[in-house]
Amino acid sequence: DVKVTQSSRYLVKRTGEKVFLECVQDMDHENMFWYRQDPGLGLRLIYFSYDVKMKEKGDIPEGYSVSREKKERFSLILESASTNQTSMYLCASRPTGTGNTEAFFGQGTRLTVV
Amino acid sequence: QQQVKQSPQSLIVQKGGISIINCAYENTAFDYFPWYQQFPGKGPALLIAIRPDVSEKKEGRFTISFNKSAKQFSLHIMDSQPGDSATYFCAARSGNAGNMLTFGGGTRLMVKP
Repeated sequence: DVKVTQSSRYLVKRTGEKVFLECVQDMDHENMFWYRQDPGLGLRLIYFSYDVKMKEKGDIPEGYSVSREKKERFSLILESASTNQTSMYLCASRPTGTGNTEAFFGQGTRLTVV
Repeated sequence: QQQVKQSPQSLIVQKGGISIINCAYENTAFDYFPWYQQFPGKGPALLIAIRPDVSEKKEGRFTISFNKSAKQFSLHIMDSQPGDSATYFCAARSGNAGNMLTFGGGTRLMVKP
């Protein structure tokens, strides 16, 4: 059974704090993604990584950074949390290949910045 | 700027009815169109997907209809059940952009018993 695990279901942080969201996958997938989910806006890609130590900006990278030191782990970092970063954050992984490869999602982390 | 536009944002259907969710896209490089289903407290999970070389794909009560010329595709849920109540996302993948998925805005479906 494939699994993408996000370290926290709920987080409450103060404005200006540095926040770490952790994601681990056990499927040996090369590609990992961080999305944020907001009502009416769907899932928007923040950053993705196609290999260890590699990272690429998605559609909304401002205010975020990422780290991928090991293949199975992809971390999202909010350097200085702001209230407009209150959202649901979803991590996903997918194998490499041009076939119709499915993306597997974690259960999400609901972050509230106060 | 959303490259995949999804409607409606929310939908209420009676049990046994047909739920229809529509998506439209502009990028002709999209070559794979999955639908994801998300229950409260869970991450999205792949429900059904279609490639643009077919006009329809059916899996149980779920059907994707695809209109390549109109650049539109839709999800039909036949005999909708309360257990189908969830948020549905359409998506599109571009082989030209590293196989990235672009998601629609989501539709919150409620099926009333």
